[in-house]
This record gives sequence, C-alpha cells and structure tokens, in this order.
Amino acid sequence: GQQLNQSPQSMFIQEGEDVSMNCTSSSIFNTWLWYKQEPGEGPVLLIALYKAGELTSNGRLTAQFGITRKDSFLNISASIPSDVGIYFCAGQLRGTYKYIFGTGTRLKVLA
Amino acid sequence: EAQVTQNPRYLITVTGKKLTVTCSQNMNHEYMSWYRQDPGLGLRQIYYSMNVEVTDKGDVPEGYKVSRKEKRNFPLILESPSPNQTSLYFCASSFGTGLNEQYFGPGTRLTVT
Repeated sequence: GQQLNQSPQSMFIQEGEDVSMNCTSSSIFNTWLWYKQEPGEGPVLLIALYKAGELTSNGRLTAQFGITRKDSFLNISASIPSDVGIYFCAGQLRGTYKYIFGTGTRLKVLA
Repeated sequence: EAQVTQNPRYLITVTGKKLTVTCSQNMNHEYMSWYRQDPGLGLRQIYYSMNVEVTDKGDVPEGYKVSRKEKRNFPLILESPSPNQTSLYFCASSFGTGLNEQYFGPGTRLTVT
C-alpha cells in the first residue's frame, strides 16, 4: 500500500529548543493532519491542513501543507516537558476517502 | 461532551471465537473509520464508512468486517480472530468531505491467543 515516510523516528531535545519533523510520500494528498499520542490514549488532533502551501499555527505548533501536495512538516517552538509523546502525520489520499498515517516521531524533552 | 467511545477497552480471546468491538460517536459525523496500531507500523486503516450503509476497504481489511446501520455506530467484527490480529484498535470519526478532521476513540487493546 501507499506509505508516508515520517522523520525523524525519534528526537531527544532540551527544554526550550525548537523541533521540526516532516512527512513525505510519492502520493498526492487532499488533506494533511497532525496528531499527538500519549501512552494509553488515542491520537489527539493538533492541526489540519486543506490547501497546498497552507501554513497554519496552533499555539507553539506550526504546520505546512507542501506545494507539491506530497509532503508536510510540523514545527514545535520552545519545547516544554509536556510536549513529550509520539507525533503522527496523516494524509487523505487524493480522490479517495482513505487515510495513510506516518510511522510517528517519538519526542522526548529533557528539562 | 463530544466524543468517540469504544467498547471493550481491553479484550483477551482465543483463536476462532467471533468478537465485536463497538464504536459510537455523538457528533453527528458522517465519516467513521477503524485503524489498527502496531509497533513500528503506525496506524493502518482497516475499513471506513462515508455514511450509513456505505463502507469501503482501507489498507488492511483482511479478517475484518464492518457495518454501518446507524449514523452514530460503526462496529468492527472479527469473525474468526487469529493471533496476528492482536493489536491496538482505534475508531475515529469526522464530518467528512471538506471537514476531514478525524477524532479518535480511546482504543481497544485486543489479544488473541
């Protein structure tokens, strides 16, 4: 099936640092979604992107829908300990109702 | 409170014993979907439904069935579970076309022995 390549797989950063992660694919997407998942819980939606080139912020989080419609990135500024978790990208394949998820970026923040 | 609920949250069963995991949402969402989450593989879509009586296969539909008889409910059925279906299962829902923000349930951890 289609794949979303998400990188990096994991990150260890100091509190206060900025973080960047991205997802790329050979497929074209209509929608990009970014989620955060904490242990024992379901993914929680952070940001939704609907248009190529769109740049959207949610507090310290900023995400962009790539111009080619094949990629997206998520930035977290001034990280804090509660940012710890696994971040997933997800894309809705163009012309379908199917969603593909990335394999996740595990973030650890050192105080 | 707007939410997606799943039951049961934990289930241990034996190979071949039919089971159903229920999913319900109270947000009047048209789109509902089931995913499984396995270590290193992320979330993979099993089945989805665009509306009542309209369902379609995701990436990993083998061994699963679904039905959508009411808008709010979307049960996942394993007719003859096998150990390779041991996984963490999530149900999600969204308004659908144009508003694709999916909201997830808390998950069901299934173990098939």
